[in-house]
Amino acid sequence: DVKVTQSSRYLVKRTGEKVFLECVQDMDHENMFWYRQDPGLGLRLIYFSYDVKMKEKGDIPEGYSVSREKKERFSLILESASTNQTSMYLCASSSQGSTEAFFGQGTRLTVV
Amino acid sequence: SQQGEEDPQALSIQEGENATMNCSYKTSINNLQWYRQNSGRGLVHLILIRSNEREKHSGRLRVTLDTSKKSSSLLITASRAADTASYFCATDYFGNEKLTFGTGTRLTIIP
Repeated sequence: DVKVTQSSRYLVKRTGEKVFLECVQDMDHENMFWYRQDPGLGLRLIYFSYDVKMKEKGDIPEGYSVSREKKERFSLILESASTNQTSMYLCASSSQGSTEAFFGQGTRLTVV
Repeated sequence: SQQGEEDPQALSIQEGENATMNCSYKTSINNLQWYRQNSGRGLVHLILIRSNEREKHSGRLRVTLDTSKKSSSLLITASRAADTASYFCATDYFGNEKLTFGTGTRLTIIP
């Protein structure tokens, strides 16, 4: 069964902490994405990557960075967590030339 | 933002009835997809319709696309309690593999 796995389902962090959200896919997909989901706003794209060591800003990259050192792994980094980054974070992947996305189960991050 | 809008925001129907959700978007698209999200979980792909298609079926799902009106609808026939979820449309644009999601419709099926 193909999978996108996010390292945590729930996470509570303190304001100012550096936070790492990890995502691993086993489908050999080239494309990987990080979204955040907030009530009434749907899914908003933070960062995406079409290849190893490649990254591009999405619609709301401020306060975030990403790392893609290996094809299967895409990490989202909150450099200094703030309360307005409390949200559901969703990782997704797709194969090159396709936009059909496979999602992880999500990480609900609370920053206190 | 290119984000689409979904209508209605929430829908409650009796089990066995049909559910219809609508999605509108702003610019010309390559494909439009529908996804389901069960409470607190990730999204699951349901169906993809290309810009040159007008209708597509998959089991109890029927999707239509009207590119002149920049809108799509998702019909779920003979609804079941397990269809209770949020439904999102997502669009992509020529030469771009990013998806832009709508705000979603929350569907509740009453047993």
